[in-house]
This record gives sequence, C-alpha cells and structure tokens, in this order.
Amino acid sequence: GAGVSQSPSNKVTEKGKDVELRCDPISGHTALYWYRQSLGQGLEFLIYFQGNSAPDKSGLPSDRFSAERTGGSVSTLTIQRTQQEDSAVYLCASSLGASGSEQYFGPGTRLTVT
Amino acid sequence: AQTVTQSQPEMSVQEAETVTLSCTYDTSESNYYLFWYKQPPSRQMILVIRQEAYKQQNATENRFSVNFQKAAKSFSLKISDSQLGDTAMYFCASLRWGNEKLTFGTGTRLTIIP
Repeated sequence: GAGVSQSPSNKVTEKGKDVELRCDPISGHTALYWYRQSLGQGLEFLIYFQGNSAPDKSGLPSDRFSAERTGGSVSTLTIQRTQQEDSAVYLCASSLGASGSEQYFGPGTRLTVT
Repeated sequence: AQTVTQSQPEMSVQEAETVTLSCTYDTSESNYYLFWYKQPPSRQMILVIRQEAYKQQNATENRFSVNFQKAAKSFSLKISDSQLGDTAMYFCASLRWGNEKLTFGTGTRLTIIP
C-alpha cells in the first residue's frame, strides 16, 4: 500500500514568511509524528498525535511552530515568521500506535529560509 | 531523559565484508525499545531492526543483527556480506515505553566500496 507522503518535497521561503508542510500518514495508522533533521541539531522530535488524545507538543522549539491533525488523518505543520535557523528537513512518520511500534517515515520536506 | 551516542561519524568497508556500527545509550527506564534506522540519499528513513529491551535474545533481520548488551547499554549493528545498497546514514534510536518519541544518535555514514 501507499506509504507516508509529504508535500512539498522542497520549499524555499523568505525570512519572515509563514509556511505550511503537509503529511499524509499510512491509512489506518492512529499515531503521527513530526521530526526535524538539521545540520546543527541532528534529528529531533517535534510533536506527536495519538488518536483523539491531546498532542504531545513538548518538542516544538518555539511558539512560532504549530501543528494540527484533521479527522485523525492528514497533518499540517505550520511555521510562522520563518527564521534562517528553521532551515532543515522536516520528517513525518506514522505508526499503528502501540507503544514501540515501527514508525514509518515519509520522504521529508526540505525547507530553506533565505 | 534518554541519550543516544554514535561515536563513528563515518565508516567504509569493502563490498561483501562485515561491518559493525556502534551505539551506546543512556536511560533510567526499565521498559524501552532500541532501533536502527537507515537513511539513504533519497532521505527516506527505513527501519532496519528493532529490539525490545526486555528480550535477551539479539534481534536479527537477514544480513543485519544486533549485539545488545543491556548492562553496558550498548546496541551495535552488524551488517554481514555488505552490499552497495547498504551505503547510507545509519541512525541508532531509543524509545521509552509509553512515550513514543524517538531519540536519535548523530548517525554513522557508511560507504560500501565496490
């Protein structure tokens, strides 16, 4: 079946602009995760959605970052007033939700802030 | 907090040889999971192998196996009969039971030489 998809694949934006990154998880997966991969910080957790529970936002680096998951499926990560340090690859993953279950990753969105 | 350390930034090995990637971790938890993920140039993270900490038996997936030393908090990955397609970044990661955030190491860039 189809894997996790993300769009756009690449995004170039000017400093100060807002961006939206989209993630379509694997059908039937109740858990969805966002991670960020950057040269300076490596791979870091951002936010986690599980079913109808309140999301775990503990990894969001600032209040400029937010995410939502509509209808338990598609998720959007929004970065407001982008800064150059936001440049990174943003990875989305989904899983069946049981603790420790495999997280299936999408191909990522490479964000470049100029 | 969990930490994962990969002390080998880069490694290279001849095709068909065996290579071992090192990983150590630190956790105060008794229930946790350990993973090795592969990230080829396509950017997509792919699960290589998964180990449940309560299982003493080392996980194996075809040419990939781990040496899990719980007391030493060590989780190395052995790749046997290495192939050109094994060229990638390899990330070691941990996950605490009930807390679904993956904590990643900094990665090892593995190159298989023809």
